[in-house]
Order: sequence, then C-alpha cells, then structure tokens
Amino acid sequence: EAGVAQSPRYKIIEKRQSVAFWCNPISGHATLYWYQQILGQGPKLLIQFQNNGVVDDSQLPKDRFSAERLKGVDSTLKIQPAKLEDSAVYLCASSPIRVDRTYEQYFGPGTRLTVT
Amino acid sequence: RKEVEQDPGPFNVPEGATVAFNCTYSNSASQSFFWYRQDCRKEPKLLMSVYSSGNEDGRFTAQLNRASQYISLLIRDSKLSDSATYLCVVPRGGYNKLIFGAGTRLAVHP
Repeated sequence: EAGVAQSPRYKIIEKRQSVAFWCNPISGHATLYWYQQILGQGPKLLIQFQNNGVVDDSQLPKDRFSAERLKGVDSTLKIQPAKLEDSAVYLCASSPIRVDRTYEQYFGPGTRLTVT
Repeated sequence: RKEVEQDPGPFNVPEGATVAFNCTYSNSASQSFFWYRQDCRKEPKLLMSVYSSGNEDGRFTAQLNRASQYISLLIRDSKLSDSATYLCVVPRGGYNKLIFGAGTRLAVHP
C-alpha cells in the first residue's frame, strides 16, 4: 500500500514570497491533516479535512495560510506571504474514517521549509 | 499549563538499559492516549495506544495514571535502533484531533 506522498521535500524562499505544498493521502482515507512542526516541538495541527470539507482550521493563520482539498483526495497548502517564523516542517497525514481507528494517523515525509 | 507536557530529555542510555518517559496531560476527560515515535528527520509513526490502565508490546510498556493525569512509556533492554524522539499524544474532541507533546529524545549508545 502506497503511503502519504508530499512534494516538494525541501523548499527555500525569501520572506514575503509565496510557497505551495502538495499532499496525496493514502487511497481511501477520508480525513486529511496538515501539521506544522517547528524544530524542537511536536506537530501542531493547522487544518483538518474530512472528504473535501474543513473540520477544523482553528489554528490556521488565515491571513497568510490557505488550504484546499477540492475533490476530496489530494490537497494543497499555501503560504502567502511567508514570514521567517514559518520555517518548519509541514507534515501531511491521513486517516481512515472508522471511528475506532481515526487516531491512527499516517504521516507523509514532510516538506522542510526555510524562509530567509 | 500546556495540554500535553513531556520530559524534555535528551535521555542518553547504554544498550540494554531500561528507560522511562513521563507525560502529563491537562484534560481530565481524555479517555485514550498514544505514543508516536519520530526518527531524526522522519515522520511520526504510531508506536502504542493506551486505553485503560496500560498496554504492553514486547519491550515497550505504556502505563496510565488517571488520578495524577500522567502516562509513562517504559522501554526495557534498549537497542541502538530505539534512538528516536517519543511523542506523547492526547486526542481532543474524540479521536479526530490529536494534540502532540514536544517529544522526549532518546539516544541509545553502545
């Protein structure tokens, strides 16, 4: 079974530039998550989709971050404009919709973003 | 108080040692807890889940103390391959949203 795919793996941009990340979840997983992991910290949820609807985006900085999952499969996360403090690893995860197993989230390899 | 707090580490132990990590949580209504493992520059992966008093899987034992609101992870007979960061995870609002601790780094040396 293929895992969660993410691209690019690395990205270096200057502050005030824009960047976009792509994620393709495991086939059949209805729930998709985007996390931000700053060095030395645990992953922090940015946004959660169930199919193509947003379930939770309470910690997404909406003035600069946006995400979409148009067809309920792959997703993109965009930052515009980027700030220095956005330097982090952006992790995408997916999980099956079964209530007794939705804790088991499967993570992609992440995109390491450096903002200079 | 943070929702999930962990021993900061790092823990440096020799092969064969027994090591334990603690994690405290603030939401007394939490019913289930998880430990994820994250290797250096890799993604987190589920290690163990804890629903009642504890769970054991080979050399790994997770224990839950609801009265004191803490979870522990015990690793016996440490291997070099156990070197990683161990993330304590507590769901919020059911199973859908996971709150991750900052992690405890373990380094096992020969």
